[in-house]
Amino acid sequence: ILNVEQSPQSLHVQEGDSTNFTCSFPSSNFYALHWYRWETAKSPEALFVMTLNGDEKKKGRISATLNTKEGYSYLYIKGSQPEDSATYLCAFPPIKAAGNKLTFGGGTRVLVKP
Amino acid sequence: DGGITQSPKYLFRKEGQNVTLSCEQNLNHDAMYWYRQDPGQGLRLIYYSQIVNDFQKGDIAEGYSVSREKKESFPLTVTSAQKNPTAFYLCASSRGQSLSGEKLFFGSGTQLSVL
Repeated sequence: ILNVEQSPQSLHVQEGDSTNFTCSFPSSNFYALHWYRWETAKSPEALFVMTLNGDEKKKGRISATLNTKEGYSYLYIKGSQPEDSATYLCAFPPIKAAGNKLTFGGGTRVLVKP
Repeated sequence: DGGITQSPKYLFRKEGQNVTLSCEQNLNHDAMYWYRQDPGQGLRLIYYSQIVNDFQKGDIAEGYSVSREKKESFPLTVTSAQKNPTAFYLCASSRGQSLSGEKLFFGSGTQLSVL
């Protein structure tokens, strides 16, 4: 199993501050990187699926960048709000063949304090 | 509204008992998945199915079984052979079979505990 590492495991952010955290993955045989947001008592929800080196995606105040050559992706939250409190998961399909499986990182738990 | 429905939300298992977790989707998705979450760990894949009447083992399939008799349904049975079944179970689906570009849609999960 190829490892996907997320850091930090948790972080506290003051409302209005911006923050970012990292997903590291094996850089060889890259196919795609997924980001999901998982709020307490809700279902995980897809944020981004990124496939190209240098890709940048944005959804509201949340954005992500991708560096496939060095094997990392950053997720940024600009002007954090309490509703951004969630666990953010990244995931990586080890192979491209049909019927693939996603390997998930352990997540970064974000708590935004009012 | 389209989505994935998991039931029950909470389930208790006695020693030696098999229990079945339900997962139904009305998204017309081809592929379905079962993940397990333990505290402090990432989601781990138990089983997945790309098409009706076909499924493959994931990374932690021992002690579990599945069926895919209908496109909409992918039930997971936790057998008595699974010695540490207490966990949170998530069902997911995707439109296509390749996850290089297809995102997962998740249910709301089932918490299984052992009595």
